[in-house]
Amino acid sequence: GQSLEQPSEVTAVEGAIVQINCTYQTSGFYGLSWYQQHDGGAPTFLSYNALDGLEETGRFSSFLSRSDSYGYLLLQELQMKDSASYFCAVGGAAGNKLTFGGGTRVLVKP
Amino acid sequence: NAGVTQTPKFQVLKTGQSMTLQCAQDMNHEYMSWYRQDPGMGLRLIHYSVGAGITDQGEVPNGYNVSRSTTEDFPLRLLSAAPSQTSVYFCASSEVLSGNTIYFGEGSWLTVV
Repeated sequence: GQSLEQPSEVTAVEGAIVQINCTYQTSGFYGLSWYQQHDGGAPTFLSYNALDGLEETGRFSSFLSRSDSYGYLLLQELQMKDSASYFCAVGGAAGNKLTFGGGTRVLVKP
Repeated sequence: NAGVTQTPKFQVLKTGQSMTLQCAQDMNHEYMSWYRQDPGMGLRLIHYSVGAGITDQGEVPNGYNVSRSTTEDFPLRLLSAAPSQTSVYFCASSEVLSGNTIYFGEGSWLTVV
């Protein structure tokens, strides 16, 4: 089976940097994805890492270490609109057969 | 751009009733799937399809049926609703290869009483 662990909640102030860690156990690894979900909304894709290293997309970066079965999402220059839940997910060999972590709720305060 | 469209958005069912959640995508994606999300939790895969005529079970398939007669549509049928099926249901589609962006519908809030 597959399982993912991530912190349940993180609180930070506007302009700060937040790192959300994700550790996973999986029988076959095809990449680590990150999704953002605002309350009452649908998950939206943020990033995907198949290989070790850092992927940067604007204010958000994602890191993967396959040897450590570990990744993180880095949120920089936090804005109020970044208040949401963030999910890491590991995928199967094809398409969107994903296993999700329980999500990290990020609360950004003024 | 419609993307992934789910209907209905809200539904209340009585225990034992059956119903179908509709899902349609207009991006010509081969891969479609259904997830459920319980309060404060991540999404869990119910069923998925890699193309028309092909479906398979995910992590939590019991109590649900799916069919894929066209590329565009992937309905989810609840056979005999139970309170444990109270959840938010998300349909998703993507290109086949892993790592591509997955597009989710807006969700269907289902309450079984």
